Amino acid sequence: GENVEQHPSTLSVQEGDSAVIKCTYSDSASNYFPWYKQELGKRPQLIIDIRSNVGEKKDQRIAVTLNKTAKHFSLHITETQPEDSAVYFCAASNPGSNYQLIWGAGTKLIIKP
Amino acid sequence: KAGVTQTPRYLIKTRGQQVTLSCSPISGHRSVSWYQQTPGQGLQFLFEYFSETQRNKGNFPGRFSGRQFSNSRSEMNVSTLELGDSALYLCASSWTGLGSTEAFFGQGTRLTVV
Repeated sequence: GENVEQHPSTLSVQEGDSAVIKCTYSDSASNYFPWYKQELGKRPQLIIDIRSNVGEKKDQRIAVTLNKTAKHFSLHITETQPEDSAVYFCAASNPGSNYQLIWGAGTKLIIKP
Repeated sequence: KAGVTQTPRYLIKTRGQQVTLSCSPISGHRSVSWYQQTPGQGLQFLFEYFSETQRNKGNFPGRFSGRQFSNSRSEMNVSTLELGDSALYLCASSWTGLGSTEAFFGQGTRLTVV
């Protein structure tokens, strides 16, 4: 079955710098890759997603890139701000598995002032 | 529109008891999934219900069960509670099913087993 690995588990960056979180997946049939953000004490919320027919997607300061050949996708956050501090989860799904989302273990992003 | 509602928000139970958690999805959403979240363990998938049928199941023991009603509301039951069941239980709803459309999470039920 599908397996999603997420790195790093913790990432500390200076405010204003960029942050990159990477996920690798094992099932080449996976075609949907969302990223969720969970702030402390709050519920996870979708921040961006990408489908396999697209290589990159941007939304203001966040972007996601997908490399289908290497089977990895990454979240990029530029000009980080204190409110970016949270746990970020990646996931992958494919139609052959009833679209079940397989989750990465999460990355705790710390923004240092 | 109203978001995903989970009840109760907090629960304290004694080892060996059973518990039922409830999740009301966003109106029109037919898929409801349940997750267990413990510190440092991420989101552990329990099961997903779509149109009253269990469509996906995670690797949890049979003590964990669920169901979905015709109005898409879902319940999760844990029998013979163990200390290790203490966690935040999250449900998420989506229109067609996780992985094809955005999933909206509830605020969770924090279960403490003593």
